[in-house]
Amino acid sequence: LAKTTQPISMDSYEGQEVNITCSHNNIATNDYITWYQQFPSQGPRFIIQGYKTKVTNEVASLFIPADRKSSTLSLPRVSLSDTAVYYCLVGVYNNNDMRFGAGTRLTVKP
Amino acid sequence: GAGVSQSPRYKVTKRGQDVALRCDPISGHVSLYWYRQALGQGPEFLTYFNYEAQQDKSGLPNDRFSAERPEGSISTLTIQRTEQRDSAMYRCASSLGSGRRGAYEQYFGPGTRLTVT
Repeated sequence: LAKTTQPISMDSYEGQEVNITCSHNNIATNDYITWYQQFPSQGPRFIIQGYKTKVTNEVASLFIPADRKSSTLSLPRVSLSDTAVYYCLVGVYNNNDMRFGAGTRLTVKP
Repeated sequence: GAGVSQSPRYKVTKRGQDVALRCDPISGHVSLYWYRQALGQGPEFLTYFNYEAQQDKSGLPNDRFSAERPEGSISTLTIQRTEQRDSAMYRCASSLGSGRRGAYEQYFGPGTRLTVT
């Protein structure tokens, strides 16, 4: 299984850009990188997925260097409502080796 | 359309009793997953199904835990002879399943909060 390592927590202020980096040194050739967001009392919610280079959607961007041993989730201009836990997962389409770690607890302050 | 639903939302039971937790996935989703989440921790994988076939049950803690999805839709997670350490939030998720590259997005239900007294 591809193990992931993320910071346990991060603080930011409203309007700032937040970058959360995930390390996955033993990522396999067929593995994709997926990020989920979880608010208190809710289930995780898919944010973004990528394989290499850069992916952008209406919520976030995902930067993946050429060696794919890490990835960075970028949240532009965060607001208080972005306070949540963010999980980085690495796995392939059949999902049978997708595991959630402890995630990164992001706190956005006014 | 309707999302993933779970019932009951809350369950309080006495130690030693059996409980059955139900998950109704999004219509048409091939894959269904069960997780357990303790307060302040990430979801812990328990088991998952493609259609009615249980693909991986390596995360089930012991033989008191079992799951089924007999018709490839609704799934039931059963815990026999419950113990206090089983108290947690039990979450179900579903996804479209296999057929393309990349990991399929999982859609999570609201969870069942199980308390064993």
